[in-house]
Amino acid sequence: AQSVTQLDSHVSVSEGTPVLLRCNYSSSYSPSLFWYVQHPNKGLQLLLKYTSAATLVKGINGFEAEFKKSETSFHLTKPSAHMSDAAEYFCVVSDRNTGNQFYFGTGTSLTVIP
Amino acid sequence: ETGVTQSPTHLIKTRGQQVTLRCSSQSGHNTVSWYQQALGQGPQFIFQYYREEENGRGNFPPRFSGLQFPNYSSELNVNALELDDSALYLCASSLPSGGVTYNEQFFGPGTRLTVL
Repeated sequence: AQSVTQLDSHVSVSEGTPVLLRCNYSSSYSPSLFWYVQHPNKGLQLLLKYTSAATLVKGINGFEAEFKKSETSFHLTKPSAHMSDAAEYFCVVSDRNTGNQFYFGTGTSLTVIP
Repeated sequence: ETGVTQSPTHLIKTRGQQVTLRCSSQSGHNTVSWYQQALGQGPQFIFQYYREEENGRGNFPPRFSGLQFPNYSSELNVNALELDDSALYLCASSLPSGGVTYNEQFFGPGTRLTVL
């Protein structure tokens, strides 16, 4: 069965310091993995996606994620947090077995302290 | 390019009533998925429509039903509303996926449904 575990429900960082949001997945087949961000009262926006190409994926706003098959992880990082990064972040998995169904994690709330 | 739009923005209903939510897909997208996002949770897949046919369904009862129209817009209908149906309902459009890679889904802002 497919599933996603976001290891931290809340993460708090100071502005200008690195961000790490952790995600582990379970998938029977080669997965596609995504990170989405949800700002208050706004729709979900795609940050980046992994679909079996390069394992280090670069996304928008300076975010990147590395697919590690041996660790079944897809952690999201950013070298320097900005106040505008404060939002809810979701890790998503999809694979051949699920067709087009996206499985979302429970989300990580990122707080950026000025 | 117009993004995914949803209507209404907010809706208040009482238990037992029926509700219809609407979604217009992004230009060129023929696949629409619906999700339910309860407070503090990640979105849960309800179902997907591709070329007016249901193309996958999550673990939701039959009182959740949908339609897709020739212009690829879509409706989500929920009958016999229950208190637990209170949530943000998200619509997402995409191009159809093929092979082992999957296209990203583009999400609308959602409809906030409150059931009293």
